[in-house]
Amino acid sequence: GENVEQHPSTLSVQEGDSAVIKCTYSDSASNYFPWYKQELGKRPQLIIDIRSNVGEKKDQRIAVTLNKTAKHFSLHITETQPEDSAVYFCAAHSGNTGKLIFGQGTTLQVKP
Amino acid sequence: SAVISQKPSRDICQRGTSLTIQCQVDSQVTMMFWYRQQPGQSLTLIATANQGSEATYESGFVIDKFPISRPNLTFSTLTVSNMSPEDSSIYLCSASHMALEGTEAFFGQGTRLTVV
Repeated sequence: GENVEQHPSTLSVQEGDSAVIKCTYSDSASNYFPWYKQELGKRPQLIIDIRSNVGEKKDQRIAVTLNKTAKHFSLHITETQPEDSAVYFCAAHSGNTGKLIFGQGTTLQVKP
Repeated sequence: SAVISQKPSRDICQRGTSLTIQCQVDSQVTMMFWYRQQPGQSLTLIATANQGSEATYESGFVIDKFPISRPNLTFSTLTVSNMSPEDSSIYLCSASHMALEGTEAFFGQGTRLTVV
C-alpha cells in the first residue's frame, strides 16, 4: 500500500540556520506532494507543494525539491526564525485513488 | 480555497456510547476524508467519504466502528461507535477540490475526543 517515510522526527536549529526535512514515498502513482505546518492545537496548514512534473519550487525562505526517480522529496527552510517552530508533515497524493498519505511528522525547534 | 467547519470541537464521552462528528464545507468539493491524529502523532487516514455511496475504509478501520455518511458535496459525518478509551484522539475532516490530479487539502479544526 501507500507509505510515506519522513526524517528526522525532531530537528533543533539555531535561529538563522537552515533546516532540511526529507521524505520518501512508495506509490508510483503519486503526483502531488504538499507540505503542512501544524502548530500546537491547530489544524494543519499548507505551506508549499510541488507536482510530479516539477523538480524544484521556491517560495521566499521555503523550497521543496522532488526526485521522482528516487521517490524522494525534501523541504528546505532557510534563515529560520523562532516562529518557524512547529510540526511539519510531508504528504503524497495518489493519482489513482485521490488519497493523501502523510509522513510521520518532524518537530522543528528554532532556538533564538 | 475552502472553509471547513467541524463540530463538536471537543467532547468527553462515556465508554460504550457513540459520538457523531459533523463536517460542513463552504463550497462543493470533490473529495472528503476523515483522519485520526493521536497526540504527538501523524495523521492516519480512516476513510474516504464518497458522496451518495459507502465510504472507502483504510486497513484497520471498519464501517461498523466508524460509520460515515456523505449525503452531498459539502457535508459529511463520522460516527465513533461503541467507544473505548483507545478511541481518545483528535479526529480531522479534510476536503479538496480535485480527485486524481491533486490539489490543496483543507482541514477542519478537529474534534478532540476523550473517552472515559
